[in-house]
Amino acid sequence: KQEVTQIPAALSVPEGENLVLNCSFTDSAIYNLQWFRQDPGKGLTSLLLIQSSQREQTSGRLNASLDKSSGRSTLYIAASQPGDSATYLCAVRPVGTYKYIFGTGTRLKVLA
Amino acid sequence: NAGVMQNPRHLVRRRGQEARLRCSPMKGHSHVYWYRQLPEEGLKFMVYLQKENIIDESGMPKERFSAEFPKEGPSILRIQQVVRGDSAAYFCASQPPTASSYEQYFGPGTRLTVT
Repeated sequence: KQEVTQIPAALSVPEGENLVLNCSFTDSAIYNLQWFRQDPGKGLTSLLLIQSSQREQTSGRLNASLDKSSGRSTLYIAASQPGDSATYLCAVRPVGTYKYIFGTGTRLKVLA
Repeated sequence: NAGVMQNPRHLVRRRGQEARLRCSPMKGHSHVYWYRQLPEEGLKFMVYLQKENIIDESGMPKERFSAEFPKEGPSILRIQQVVRGDSAAYFCASQPPTASSYEQYFGPGTRLTVT
C-alpha cells in the first residue's frame, strides 16, 4: 500500500532563505509526482508535475526533484518570500491506478 | 478559460439531510476526481469519473455516498443522511481527456458543516 510522508510538518523561516521540503513514498512504482500549494481555506494550486521518467522540473524560484528508486522528492524554494507562506502538498499516482495519494503537507511560514 | 468551479462554496446541513455538491470541470476536461479533506488531515481520494462512467470509486464510503458525471452538466457528489463526521472540505479536480501529463486542476472546494 502506497504511503506518502512529508517532513517537516511545519517550518518557519526568515524571508530570503532558501529552503527544502521533503516528500517520501513507500512504493517506487508511480506514474508521476505532483507538488501543490494550498492557502488557508482555499483549493490547491499545482506547482510542478514530474513524470516518472524525469529527474526534476523547474518553475521560477521552484525546483522539484524526483529520485524514484529511493522513493523521495524534494521541493526547493529559492529566496523565500512572505507570499510563499502556505501548506505544500505532494501527491503520487501509483502505477495501475487512477487515484492520487497525498501527503499531509508541510505548513510553511516565511517571516518578513 | 475558466478554472474548475465548485458550488456551493459553503454548505450547512442538519444531521439526516442530504448534501449535493457540484463540480464543473475546466472546459474540454472530461475526467473528474473527488477528494475529501478532514480537519487537520490530508486529502483522501474518493472517486474518479469520466463522462457517464464511474471508473474508480474505491475511496468512497459504501453507504450514503454517490457520485455521477452526466453527459451534460456538472459532476455531482451526493451525501444522503449526513452525519457530523461528514463535515469536511470536498474538492474536485479535473484532467483533460488526453491525459498526456495527468496534471490535475483543483477547484476551490465546498466546505460542508453538519450541525
